[in-house]
Amino acid sequence: GNSVTQMEGPVTLSEEAFLTINCTYTATGYPSLFWYVQYPGEGLQLLLKATKADDKGSNKGFEATYRKETTSFHLEKGSVQVSDSAVYFCALSPTGTGGGNKLTFGTGTQLKVEL
Amino acid sequence: DGGITQSPKYLFRKEGQNVTLSCEQNLNHDAMYWYRQDPGQGLRLIYYSQIVNDFQKGDIAEGYSVSREKKESFPLTVTSAQKNPTAFYLCASKQGSGTEAFFGQGTRLTVV
Repeated sequence: GNSVTQMEGPVTLSEEAFLTINCTYTATGYPSLFWYVQYPGEGLQLLLKATKADDKGSNKGFEATYRKETTSFHLEKGSVQVSDSAVYFCALSPTGTGGGNKLTFGTGTQLKVEL
Repeated sequence: DGGITQSPKYLFRKEGQNVTLSCEQNLNHDAMYWYRQDPGQGLRLIYYSQIVNDFQKGDIAEGYSVSREKKESFPLTVTSAQKNPTAFYLCASKQGSGTEAFFGQGTRLTVV
């Protein structure tokens, strides 16, 4: 079956530090890949997505590149802010008819950014 | 604006009572989902529906029930058979394969 593995948290960084949150996946075919962000007490918001190999998703300074050869979709940001403190989820959505139309999520990585 | 609305945001119930959580979407999506999230944990799929009048069990369906009588609505009932119902419940919808899901703001259920 499909699975998503992301690095465990919490990740604690100082403001303006470089962020990487690793995400690797296992899936048949060519899934779409996503990063979601969850702020305390809220639902998940789509942060960025990529639908095919070598696509780069980007939003609000965050980036992730769909690497099929390494089955990875690592999230990066060059300079984090305190307001980026949240939980980040990596997810995949199968394409075609065999995937059951369900998203598979990683366990989430909590990011804490300090002044 | 299109989106998913969950209500209420906070819900308190006594042990042994059934409670129904509301989820409504105006995105015209065929598929809808219910997830449970416990503190510091990821998402666990309870039930999902890919079309009106049809739904399937997810990974942790015991103690829960759903209905899908309308495309826009997918209510979740937490029954007295659910042994540990206190949690944060998230509803989502999506359309088609390979697409992202859209989430509601969640309902925090506390059973006392």
